[in-house]
Amino acid sequence: NAGVTQTPKFQVLKTGQSMTLQCAQDMNHEYMSWYRQDPGMGLRLIHYSVGAGITDQGEVPNGYNVSRSTTEDFPLRLLSAAPSQTSVYFCASSYSGPGYEQYFGPGTRLTVT
Amino acid sequence: EDQVTQSPEALRLQEGESSSLNCSYTVSGLRGLFWYRQDPGKGPEFLFTLYSAGEEKEKERLKATLTKKESFLHITAPKPEDSATYLCAVQAQGGSEKLVFGKGTKLTVNP
Repeated sequence: NAGVTQTPKFQVLKTGQSMTLQCAQDMNHEYMSWYRQDPGMGLRLIHYSVGAGITDQGEVPNGYNVSRSTTEDFPLRLLSAAPSQTSVYFCASSYSGPGYEQYFGPGTRLTVT
Repeated sequence: EDQVTQSPEALRLQEGESSSLNCSYTVSGLRGLFWYRQDPGKGPEFLFTLYSAGEEKEKERLKATLTKKESFLHITAPKPEDSATYLCAVQAQGGSEKLVFGKGTKLTVNP
């Protein structure tokens, strides 16, 4: 099993550009989530999904969109990048909800100039 | 609003010097408290889940305990490979599908 994979590992965007961060898992997990991690702020939940076709907002959803068309994939879209979105982004998955062991991907380091 | 506060922010230990990390929380009914370990440049890795006051979990040199207001991660005779950032998170009752994380404690164990 590859676990949770994220692409790209690094990305530099200009303000106003859009892009999609990819996340995939091969463990047949129902629950998937996106976090951002900033220095001194800890992990903050952006969006999450409890199953294919179901998504909901987390703590900091503004500026981000998600969709969950399959169990395996949970892409995160930045609509119009802003310098405030410079961060490290982690995708995670678990069997059924965050109360189960969450498996995190290796992260995407995004810089918006 | 659910909150998690971890202390200290950073801790330096000598190899073999036991200590504890603290995680205090305020939540409207605790469904679960979680400890994760994060190595530099990597995603967090699950360690423990605690559900009720008085519960304890152990894994190698780590032992996690839980009270009604806080959790401790005890590290016994640490080794340099225990160096990492330790994250605490809580899940509230009431159907919450979210975790709230603390800012973490960065542990450095010197040989």
